[in-house]
Amino acid sequence: NAGVTQTPKFQVLKTGQSMTLQCAQDMNHEYMSWYRQDPGMGLRLIHYSVGAGITDQGEVPNGYNVSRSTTEDFPLRLLSAAPSQTSVYFCASSYEDDTEAFFGQGTRLTVV
Amino acid sequence: DAKTTQPNSMESNEEEPVHLPCNHSTISGTDYIHWYRQLPSQGPEYVIHGLTSNVNNRMASLAIAEDRKSSTLILHRATLRDAAVYYCILRDSGTASKLTFGTGTRLQVTL
Repeated sequence: NAGVTQTPKFQVLKTGQSMTLQCAQDMNHEYMSWYRQDPGMGLRLIHYSVGAGITDQGEVPNGYNVSRSTTEDFPLRLLSAAPSQTSVYFCASSYEDDTEAFFGQGTRLTVV
Repeated sequence: DAKTTQPNSMESNEEEPVHLPCNHSTISGTDYIHWYRQLPSQGPEYVIHGLTSNVNNRMASLAIAEDRKSSTLILHRATLRDAAVYYCILRDSGTASKLTFGTGTRLQVTL
């Protein structure tokens, strides 16, 4: 059971480039979400999904897009990377809305 | 979202119990109290959660005040592997994976 898998683990982008952070879970969880964590800070919610085809914005959605075409996958797209998006990104999933969330190991993104 | 207040840091000796406090004076009746921890260079890990009654699991115990305005995470015997940032989070039922993290309490465990 792999849990929540994020790829890549590390990425360096130039300002203006686009990329997709991948997140996959094999637990058949309906709920998935993306967070970012800046140095010395707690995690902040970017986007979340309550099921395939349904997404919504979190606290800091600007500059990011998501889609949820399958239950398993929830990719996060950076449309035009900016240095302010340098952060560690975590994906999470949970079975129901009041059960424990499982987090991936994170993607460390640097935008230069 | 209701907010939580935690000390920035705490220290403990190995093999000793640790009590990590959390204040949440604006908690609503439908808010669950969740605790997560984050080990260095890892994603957060679920520890425990509760609504009104005290809860126990293999990792820890959660003591919830009668008025629910505060709670305490109890690690019964701290080990070096328990050194992490511990987050106390209020989560309303029906809010999916919407966890609002504060800055948490950094727990240091020494020999």
